[in-house]
Amino acid sequence: RKEVEQDPGPFNVPEGATVAFNCTYSNSASQSFFWYRQDCRKEPKLLMSVYSSGNEDGRFTAQLNRASQYISLLIRDSKLSDSATYLCAVNKGGYQKVTFGTGTKLQVIP
Amino acid sequence: SAVISQKPSRDICQRGTSLTIQCQVDSQVTMMFWYRQQPGQSLTLIATANQGSEATYESGFVIDKFPISRPNLTFSTLTVSNMSPEDSSIYLCSVTTGRDEQFFGPGTRLTVL
Repeated sequence: RKEVEQDPGPFNVPEGATVAFNCTYSNSASQSFFWYRQDCRKEPKLLMSVYSSGNEDGRFTAQLNRASQYISLLIRDSKLSDSATYLCAVNKGGYQKVTFGTGTKLQVIP
Repeated sequence: SAVISQKPSRDICQRGTSLTIQCQVDSQVTMMFWYRQQPGQSLTLIATANQGSEATYESGFVIDKFPISRPNLTFSTLTVSNMSPEDSSIYLCSVTTGRDEQFFGPGTRLTVL
């Protein structure tokens, strides 16, 4: 089983739709969780950290479910500019390396 | 966050040659990493660049092929040695902050002919 798994997609959604991605992780000792966004031919950029209590930033909401070992990203009112690949990342904390998922591709269509 | 620059941004090289990629961070960081990402593929960690000691390589990557230097807490280099077309990829350096958040440089796009 991979340490971090994501559905590669693509998710094709119309503008204005709500879309959700899940990401599962295998190491129960994981401490830190993140969502990254990667545009085509660009480097990954940190979208948001995922806290135990969840995290919301505008149209984006991230949740952590430790019992089932997954994190989720919800995007409301999708914009064309949200089209990108979304990577989840997991870290055991304490200056350990981050493990990335393979990414979920989102395409928002007019 | 951290501001990371990489040089060169891209290069086209002949097989059998070597290329050294530089990564500069605007602040001192403990952890620096080198990744590779081939077109349409996910990130693959090559190694962790350790300041003052040898880099820690991931399975499938060796020091002879990818020597790494880390002379201080703001700078690292990755050399891709004896290149072949299979080494064509984007090479990214990244750093981790005290909050475990990881930030990436803009990448070096390498094409080997």
